Amino acid sequence: DTEVTQTPKHLVMGMTNKKSLKCEQHMGHRAMYWYKQKAKKPPELMFVYSYEKLSINESVPSRFSPECPNSSLLNLHLHALQPEDSALYLCASSHPPNLAGGFQETQYFGPGTRLLVL
Amino acid sequence: GEDVEQSLFLSVREGDSSVINCTYTDSSSTYLYWYKQEPGAGLQLLTYIFSNMDMKQDQRLTVLLNKKDKHLSLRIADTQTGDSAIYFCAERDTDKLIFGTGTRLQVFP
Repeated sequence: DTEVTQTPKHLVMGMTNKKSLKCEQHMGHRAMYWYKQKAKKPPELMFVYSYEKLSINESVPSRFSPECPNSSLLNLHLHALQPEDSALYLCASSHPPNLAGGFQETQYFGPGTRLLVL
Repeated sequence: GEDVEQSLFLSVREGDSSVINCTYTDSSSTYLYWYKQEPGAGLQLLTYIFSNMDMKQDQRLTVLLNKKDKHLSLRIADTQTGDSAIYFCAERDTDKLIFGTGTRLQVFP
């Protein structure tokens, strides 16, 4: 099973709302990722969690707040977003990187949450 | 995607072969990947190649790697309308994936 699930599939929110995106995997992966993808562009990395600890924050604005409550779940809390934050938000998971750099570090992606900020 | 380049668009007739090209920059990348993204969907891992390989074949897919020129290609044999999508190559930089700019493949009957 190489499935990563994400909820909701679509989300419309106002600039004063607070919402959360959720991601779940049951592949035993201990690294999880959030990416943002604008239309006709490649995904851009936002955050990486490794063993439930934040290991990379790609200078993401504080209105995006990630959380990894356990090894299977990853959340992205949204508050006071701007219209330019409208995008497809993708979650991915993998085994954590190690010095050997093995294939087990391949990232598997969820279907994404399409977010529209009004 | 600024360091990993792909041509933007490819149009092929159904049944023909498609070749999607990618030029990457990090010579230390151990694995290189091809992902497929259909409209409104997430990324589906298609195949990968380890950096000490020159070629990998997986059913209709053939990946060629030229490390000297940092050039990666994906050949799809007998292209079908269901292959219409955006294809991203990606190289791994420690725990980050660096994606290419994406190639939109359109298959016409």
